[in-house]
Order: sequence, then structure tokens, then C-alpha cells
Amino acid sequence: AQSVAQPEDQVNVAEGNPLTVKCTYSVSGNPYLFWYVQYPNRGLQFLLKYITGDNLVKGSYGFEAEFNKSQTSFHLKKPSALVSDSALYFCAVRDMRGSGYALNFGKGTSLLVTP
Amino acid sequence: GAGVSQSPRYKVAKRGQDVALRCDPISGHVSLFWYQQALGQGPEFLTYFQNEAQLDKSGLPSDRFFAERPEGSVSTLKIQRTQQEDSAVYLCASSFGTTNNEQFFGPGTRLTVL
Repeated sequence: AQSVAQPEDQVNVAEGNPLTVKCTYSVSGNPYLFWYVQYPNRGLQFLLKYITGDNLVKGSYGFEAEFNKSQTSFHLKKPSALVSDSALYFCAVRDMRGSGYALNFGKGTSLLVTP
Repeated sequence: GAGVSQSPRYKVAKRGQDVALRCDPISGHVSLFWYQQALGQGPEFLTYFQNEAQLDKSGLPSDRFFAERPEGSVSTLKIQRTQQEDSAVYLCASSFGTTNNEQFFGPGTRLTVL
């Protein structure tokens, strides 16, 4: 089965410091990986995706993620955190079973950026 | 432009009642998905439509759950004889194509079954 794991329930970082939100994957074949962010009472917003190509993927709001095949990881990063980045972050992988278009999500990581 | 909209935003139902949740996808989006998000968890896939065809319903937890998209645009998720374990946020998402396009999510409907 295609799955992702987010090992941290919460990440705390000071404003201006770099942030990393971790994600590891378990798939058969090539993974199609996504990061979404969820603000309170709002839907999930797409940040970035890795399909193929460069291992470093750049996305919205200054976020980027690095695909590492040997470590089966797809960590989300940002060089300088903002207080407004505080939210719930979800890693997801495309599930190749069934229709092949559904996403399997991790349980989420709460990011808190303090002033 | 308008994003994915869902209604109602909040629904309280007594156990045993039937409920209907509506999703208006982004205009022109071929693919439509329903997910269920329990408190403190990530979304879990329920069902997928390509235009009006329901191509995958492998995630529907029981035969009390039914979804339709008769004209290939608006979709309705119906839950019959609701149970307390059905309490969750139900998310709808749409995407333009059918391959690796990102999915755009609505704000969700929070269902509480008493």
C-alpha cells in the first residue's frame, strides 16, 4: 500500500529560523508526493508536489521540499519561518490502487512559529 | 475565481437521521473527490468521480454512504441512518485533469451525530 508517515505531531520554531516538517513514504514503484497546509476552519491548500525530475521542489509561500529516494523522505522546508506559517501540515502520496487518483494523507504535523 | 464550495458548513444530526452534503467543484474540473477527516487525523479517501462516472468508491465505509454527481458538476454525499462514528469533517476536492494535478479542497462540512 502507498502510505506516508509524519513522525512529529508538533514542530515549534522561532520566527526567522529555518523550519523542517518531516515526511517519509512507503510505496511500490515511483512515488507521487504532495504537501498541503490547513488553516483553522479552512480547506487544505496545495503547497507543492513531486512527480519526477529535480529532487528539490519549490512551492507556494516560500516553501520547498527535498525528495530523497535513498531515505524515502520528502521533508518540507522553509529558510525563514513566519508567524503566519503556523498551521497544520499534511504530507500525501498518490494511491495507485483503485482509480489511482486518490491521495493517502499522513496524520499531520502542527507547526507553531513563535515571535 | 471561485474555489470549491461546500454546504452546509455545519450539520448536526440525531442518530438514525439521513443527511446530504453538497459540493460545488471549480468550474471545468473533471475530477471530484470526497474525503473524511476525523478529529486529529489526516483526510481519508471515500470516493472519486471523473465527470459523472463514479470510478472508485473503495473508501466508502459502509453501504449507508452514497455519492452521486449526475451532471458531472455538483456532487452530493448522502449518509443514511447516521451513527455517532460518522461524526467528522467531510472534505470535497476537485482537480482539472485526471493524472497528477493537484487537488483543490473545499472548506468541508463538519458533521456531528448526537
